[in-house]
Formats: sequence, structure tokens, C-alpha cells
Amino acid sequence: EAAVTQSPRNKVAVTGGKVTLSCNQTNNHNNMYWYRQDTGHGLRLIHYSYGAGSTEKGDIPDGYKASRPSQENFSLILELATPSQTSVYFCASGDGRVANTEVFFGKGTRLTVV
Amino acid sequence: SQWGEENLQALSIQEGEDVTMNCSYKTYTTVVHWYRQDSGRGPALIILIRSNEREKRSGRLRATLDTSSQSSSLSITAAQCEDTAVYFCATDKGSFNKLTFGAGTRLAVCP
Repeated sequence: EAAVTQSPRNKVAVTGGKVTLSCNQTNNHNNMYWYRQDTGHGLRLIHYSYGAGSTEKGDIPDGYKASRPSQENFSLILELATPSQTSVYFCASGDGRVANTEVFFGKGTRLTVV
Repeated sequence: SQWGEENLQALSIQEGEDVTMNCSYKTYTTVVHWYRQDSGRGPALIILIRSNEREKRSGRLRATLDTSSQSSSLSITAAQCEDTAVYFCATDKGSFNKLTFGAGTRLAVCP
């Protein structure tokens, strides 16, 4: 079964602090994605990756960095967290070799910046 | 209907009723994904319809796609309490499964 695991599941951070959200997938998928979801809205793409060593900007990359050190792991980094980055963050993976196929999501990380 | 910056919509129906959720999209797509999100969980794909398919069925679910009007719909027949969830449509930006999500429809079945 496709598995995407995020950690931590909940995080409280202080304004100006550094936050790292981690994601691990056991699907052997080339592509991984980070989305954020704000209350009452759909998901928006922050960064994505085509494979180890690659990161690409999504639709709302400002204030975020990403790192893909291996096929399995993809991190989202907030160097200087701000209250506007309070949200629920979802990691996902997909088979980049085949277009228009299912994308598998993790359970999400709820981040609160105070 | 749901798309872009529109806020989450809400529907409340009784068990056994049929319901249809609509989605219109702004840019060309070759596929529309319909995802379901349960409380506290990530979205999960429930049906995917490609541009060469006008209709697709999966159990009590039926999706349609009209590329000329850039719209899609998801229907649930004889809704059950366990259908309570938020439903999203999403389009693929043409490659590598980068999804653009609509605002979603929160469906409540049963009190």
C-alpha cells in the first residue's frame, strides 16, 4: 500500500524561528510535493521535486525552501517562520514517469506559528 | 461550483438522497481528479476522469467531464453517512501530476 509519512504531526513554532517539516515515502515515486491547506480552502502547491537532488518552485514558494536528499525523503524548511505560515501542510508523492495518475498524500502536519 | 479562490462550499443532505457537486476549471487539462478528504486526514483519490472520457463510474460515484465548457461534476447516488467528507476537484498541469485544487465542497450526510 502506498505510504507517505509526515513528521511531526503537530508543531508550535515561534515567530522568526526555523522549522523543518519532514516527509518519507515508501512508494518509490520519483515526484514529491508539498502543499498547504488553509481553513476553508483547497490545497496550494509550495514546492515539488522530480527526484533526489531536485527541487522546483510551486505556486506559493515565498518564505519556504525544500530539500530532497534521497528518493524517499523530502523536507520543507521555513527559515524564518511567520504567523501567516500557520496552516496544515501536506506532503504527497506521485509516479512522475506516468502522467495523470494518482497522487498519494500524507496525513498532514498542523503548524502554528505564535 | 468550486474553483480558484472561491471559499469552501457546504452541502447538507439526508441519507439516501442523491447529490451532485460541480467544478469548473480555468486552464486546459487532460484529466480531472476528484479527491475526498476526511477530517484530520490527507486527501485520497476517489475517481479520475480523462479528457477522452465523458463519464466514469465507480460504485455509487459518477464523474463527468465536459472539456468544451471546462467543467466536471461528481455525483453520489443514495448517499450514506460515511460519505460525509470534503470533496475536491483538481486538475493536472499537464505533466508530472502537479495538481491545482478547487476550494472544495463540504458534504454532510446525516445529522
